[in-house]
Amino acid sequence: TQLLEQSPQFLSIQEGENLTVYCNSSSVFSSLQWYRQEPGEGPVLLVTVVTGGEVKKLKRLTFQFGDARKDSSLHITAAQPGDTGLYLCAGASTGTASKLTFGTGTRLQVTL
Amino acid sequence: NAGVTQTPKFQVLKTGQSMTLQCAQDMNHEYMSWYRQDPGMGLRLIHYSVGAGITDQGEVPNGYNVSRSTTEDFPLRLLSAAPSQTSVYFCASRPDTWNTEAFFGQGTRLTVV
Repeated sequence: TQLLEQSPQFLSIQEGENLTVYCNSSSVFSSLQWYRQEPGEGPVLLVTVVTGGEVKKLKRLTFQFGDARKDSSLHITAAQPGDTGLYLCAGASTGTASKLTFGTGTRLQVTL
Repeated sequence: NAGVTQTPKFQVLKTGQSMTLQCAQDMNHEYMSWYRQDPGMGLRLIHYSVGAGITDQGEVPNGYNVSRSTTEDFPLRLLSAAPSQTSVYFCASRPDTWNTEAFFGQGTRLTVV
């Protein structure tokens, strides 16, 4: 079983602060995805990173795939209450790309 | 366009009862999967399918069965419900198996008493 550990597990910050969420594994992945989940809903894709060292930006969110394709980070600049939610990373294995392994999740709360 | 539809949204079962969670997608996706979500554990893969007639086990398959007779439908069967199966279940589909987005249903919240 490939494990994806996310840290921190919980994060409560004020509007305007910056934060970084980490997703780490001992396994190599062919790609790494980040999802956000709202209460009562299924996860929704934010981004997919494929190449080691790749950096993608989505407005105030910056995603990076580690050089060795074992880890990833999500950085949010000037967090807003609308960023509140559960953030999940998911890795597609190199051997069997049909399986997505999800991380343990980071629950973010942004208050005014 | 409905996407991925799961039914029911909520269910309470007694220990030992059986039931089927339904999942249907209208996007002609080949790959479908079932996950369970428990606090602090993210999403864990139960079973998945890469096409009609083909299924395989994920991380936590015990106590669950699946079948894939059509591209659209991927039901999950609980054979004899146990309290440890209390969870939120999500069905997801993807257009193919390589680095593509997973589309999720809204989930089924199951409580086994």
